Amino acid sequence: TQTVSQSDAHVTVFEGDSVELRCNYSYGGSIYLSWYIQHHGHGLQFLLKYYSGNPVVQGVNGFEAEFSKSDSSFHLRKASVHWSDSAVYFCAALNTGYQNFYFGKGTSLTVIP
Amino acid sequence: NSKVIQTPRYLVKGQGQKAKMRCIPEKGHPVVFWYQQNKNNEFKFLINFQNQEVLQQIDMTEKRFSAECPSNSPCSLEIQSSEAGDSALYLCASSPRGSQNTLYFGAGTRLSVL
Repeated sequence: TQTVSQSDAHVTVFEGDSVELRCNYSYGGSIYLSWYIQHHGHGLQFLLKYYSGNPVVQGVNGFEAEFSKSDSSFHLRKASVHWSDSAVYFCAALNTGYQNFYFGKGTSLTVIP
Repeated sequence: NSKVIQTPRYLVKGQGQKAKMRCIPEKGHPVVFWYQQNKNNEFKFLINFQNQEVLQQIDMTEKRFSAECPSNSPCSLEIQSSEAGDSALYLCASSPRGSQNTLYFGAGTRLSVL
């Protein structure tokens, strides 16, 4: 069974702060890992993904994520957040058998201006 | 920005009524997914297609839910007899050939079953 867990349901920071949103997965095989963002009332937008190679991947709007096989993690980071980054962030895993994506329960990020 | 179009944005039905929603995937994307997102932000995979063929679907989908992706027509998801527990945001996503590990989502159809 493949699972994705996001340990923090809510994170609140001030504008200009750095932030890390955590994602851990459990799966024995090869997987794709992704992050998506969902603004209130909208669908999800793709931020970045990892499959192999450099464990640090860059995404849109200054986001990056780092894959760690030893920790089974794929944490999302941003060095300096903007109020418009307030949204719900979802971590997702897709096994290479390509059946369907498994999503975490999301982390709601609030950025105080 | 995603070009996946979902209609309607909002759908209100009584229990036992049919509920139908549509999705136009991005042009050239052969793979389409349907997910149900509940109020707790939990995603439930419903079904996915490659072109017009079903790749995988959950057991629940086979009973009250039906879906299709005909060629040259929007994809659709229909609930034959809506139940209160079906109230959720239904998300359609498509994936491009050669990059099936990235999903492009529509804005969703929010179904409320009264």
